[in-house]
Amino acid sequence: DIQMTQSPSSVSASVGDRVTITCRASQGISSWLAWYQQKPGKAPKLLIYAASSLQSGVPSRFSGSGSGTDFTLTITSLQTEDFATYYCQQVNSFPITFGPGTKVDI
Amino acid sequence: QLQLQESGPGLVKPSETLSLTCTVSGGSISSDGYYWGWIRQPPGKGLEWIGSISYSGTTYYNPSLKSRVTISVDTSKNQFSLKVSSVTAADTAVYCCARRGPSSGHSYDPWGQGTLVTVSS
Repeated sequence: DIQMTQSPSSVSASVGDRVTITCRASQGISSWLAWYQQKPGKAPKLLIYAASSLQSGVPSRFSGSGSGTDFTLTITSLQTEDFATYYCQQVNSFPITFGPGTKVDI
Repeated sequence: QLQLQESGPGLVKPSETLSLTCTVSGGSISSDGYYWGWIRQPPGKGLEWIGSISYSGTTYYNPSLKSRVTISVDTSKNQFSLKVSSVTAADTAVYCCARRGPSSGHSYDPWGQGTLVTVSS
């Protein structure tokens, strides 16, 4: 199985801040990586697919980069509605695996 | 737009079988190139992929659950289903269904709202 790690596990930030979350795969996954946002009591929402492609309807302050084993999700100018937990996910091979999550709070 | 909705019992007894159905609306489950999956999240924990199925019945399962999991599809009802046998308290989780396919880089989108299943006597 491909193991996914994320750092940091949590980050405290303020509105307007730039936040960067890192995801690392235990082996190369090309660009087969997605990022999701999850708010309490809600299902995850796809933000980024194929490492850097913005899902339709997602604000442009979200961006993704990376390939191989190292990836980043960047939120420029954090908004109130962005306080949530973020997960990376590899879809390169089965079983599909998720990172442990990064909580972004105030 | 495409919507998914989970349904099934919210309480299951230990050693019994958990059964859930995901109903797809606003689109066809028989769309070529798409897979329909189940993901779960124990309370306060992270996400675990359970498995997925194509409209033709091709399945992929998480090896950690494979011996207890069956995913099936009913194209006539635009539904797919999950069964987990011999459940224990460790299977208590919110279970979500979702679509995976080329339009989202083979990531999962959209998702159902999720349904909490508690395993308890």
